[in-house]
Amino acid sequence: QQPVQSPQAVILREGEDAVINCSSSKALYSVHWYRQKHGEAPVFLMILLKGGEQKGHEKISASFNEKKQQSSLYLTASQLSYSGTYFCQYGNKLVFGAGTILRVKS
Amino acid sequence: GAVVSQHPSWVICKSGTSVKIECRSLDFQATTMFWYRQFPKQSLMLMATSNEGSKATYEQGVEKDKFLINHASLTLSTLTVTSAHPEDSSFYICSTLGDRVGQYFGPGTRLTVT
Repeated sequence: QQPVQSPQAVILREGEDAVINCSSSKALYSVHWYRQKHGEAPVFLMILLKGGEQKGHEKISASFNEKKQQSSLYLTASQLSYSGTYFCQYGNKLVFGAGTILRVKS
Repeated sequence: GAVVSQHPSWVICKSGTSVKIECRSLDFQATTMFWYRQFPKQSLMLMATSNEGSKATYEQGVEKDKFLINHASLTLSTLTVTSAHPEDSSFYICSTLGDRVGQYFGPGTRLTVT
């Protein structure tokens, strides 16, 4: 069963923040986040393996709430290069969410 | 990180012909590779899991006689779309599993069937 992502799309101005949510109807054991640019393959962003885990790289971070079966991706002070489609994925089932289109405008 | 290549990057073929797409792991041995298909503005859908030296495992709804997968070596998996039709036009992407780093994806192959 596909993870549910929200929102479907978001438009930001440079410097603004965004949150993308991913939820599951089944137990989550790990969550992966990817970003895909148009016409390219997805690029791995990060993996969360344990409930309560939070991690980040530069201004992109993520959290994993195992009990609520959800994960969130936080983009802080967004840059033009953040534009793309973001996908979450259940690690154990390799099932991708429907994606969230993020567009950052100058 | 691991490098995965695909060949060709794009292909245009006529309806009824077969097309082979290659997926190579360039700097490591991959016992398992995954094949995804992505239609425009949609998410990636897992088609099959390719296992070196054994038969591929296909996801529900994917015709194994139409999408032939061969994983003859630890660095090469191939997907052959047999008797392709316009509805098979899509972006085909292969991947391998990293060690606690999600999946490494190939650059994808865009198939257009005319």
